[in-house]
Amino acid sequence: DQQVKQNSPSLSVQEGRISILNCDYTNSMFDYFLWYKKYPAEGPTFLISISSIKDKNEDGRFTVFLNKSAKHLSLHIVPSQPGDSAVYFCAASDVVTDKLIFGTGTRLQVFP
Amino acid sequence: NAGVMQNPRHLVRRRGQEARLRCSPMKGHSHVYWYRQLPEEGLKFMVYLQKENIIDESGMPKERFSAEFPKEGPSILRIQQVVRGDSAAYFCASSPIEGHETQYFGPGTRLLVL
Repeated sequence: DQQVKQNSPSLSVQEGRISILNCDYTNSMFDYFLWYKKYPAEGPTFLISISSIKDKNEDGRFTVFLNKSAKHLSLHIVPSQPGDSAVYFCAASDVVTDKLIFGTGTRLQVFP
Repeated sequence: NAGVMQNPRHLVRRRGQEARLRCSPMKGHSHVYWYRQLPEEGLKFMVYLQKENIIDESGMPKERFSAEFPKEGPSILRIQQVVRGDSAAYFCASSPIEGHETQYFGPGTRLLVL
């Protein structure tokens, strides 16, 4: 039972363009969402988060959008850079427990 | 400004041996979480600990796996009598207080069981 889903295993984007990574969830008790970036052989690096009381959070080139009615969130990276090439994980936690539930990840490749 | 430390980074064990994975949280963080990532999968929650307390171990296999976070020293994830299916990357994360604080991850320990 996959409560957090990232349906696109990979995404390829040209440098300078926008990258949009998507994430869907099923548990309506989730109220805090995070995006992590992961390089091979390293641990996940925190990028940006959003609380369920908001629908948008922005930090530099990264913006996360939350659509609670659709149980959908997305990460926008603009402009995309080659150094953004990595696997991006969406994660969620609920009001009861602090454990994070992760999606399976989307591998982003930004080419020149 | 040391981040979350994990050691060893790589660990090779033969079937039936014990594996001990260590995690030192970030300075000022008193909450530790362990996650496991199997090949081609996302991270799966295993256990959540505070100093001397296991808060949530709902993701831990019922047998062979145990975790502790003593008053002094690092958190330890212990796997007894390892099997090939235990081969995975094990990540530790820490956060400063409970209640939806961002978790910061260590570099992971890659366990290979021969």
